[in-house]
Amino acid sequence: EVQMVESGGALVQPGGSLRLSCEASGFIFSNFWMNWVRQPPGKGLEWVANIKSDGSEKYYVDSVKGRFTISRDNTKKSLDLQMNSLRDEDTAVYYCARETYGGKDFDYWGQGTLVTVS
Amino acid sequence: QSALTQPASVSGSPGQSITISCTGSSGDVGSYKFVSWYQQHPGKVPKLLIYEVNKWPSGISSRFSGSKSGNTAFLTISGLQAEDETDYYCCSYAVSGTYVFGSGTKVTVL
Repeated sequence: EVQMVESGGALVQPGGSLRLSCEASGFIFSNFWMNWVRQPPGKGLEWVANIKSDGSEKYYVDSVKGRFTISRDNTKKSLDLQMNSLRDEDTAVYYCARETYGGKDFDYWGQGTLVTVS
Repeated sequence: QSALTQPASVSGSPGQSITISCTGSSGDVGSYKFVSWYQQHPGKVPKLLIYEVNKWPSGISSRFSGSKSGNTAFLTISGLQAEDETDYYCCSYAVSGTYVFGSGTKVTVL
């Protein structure tokens, strides 16, 4: 069974840093692009970043460029998001999401971890 | 990277069909076949309903269907049921390897 479990969410002050992690199981992690998608409380989904299966390509939404860094460790089947210079507007539930193999959509999602910047 | 535009709300009676629009630009919806739709019940994780404009993942009802015309994609829910009352989001692959989600639509079953 495909599973992804996020961790690391917390209450942090503006300007602070936080590192989120996503532990994957039930599939060949090294074959898949992985993403972070966030959802502010009571609001819509926003794609944040993704990373190629081998880590060689990374893309970010403009609002986090230069502040967030996505990374992965295929030996540990883990995905990370290092978040620096956090702002109030970064407050959200952060989901780890797997891209469909060979596709451009998100077929499996983790349960999410809440980041509160205040 | 502006959010795709969806109507804030759409409603219909049980058994009816409703359509949700998702308007983007030539940099996303208009240029790629990679438009997907997600259903999200309150407090739950988003669920993939439609991928590549009009394809169904395994286990998804054919009551949900997708289409696209120019810079606008559409999700149609046929035979509306009470369990369809929730939030729906479109998403498109976009230039420079990024993605953009729609603003979200709340479906109400009257």
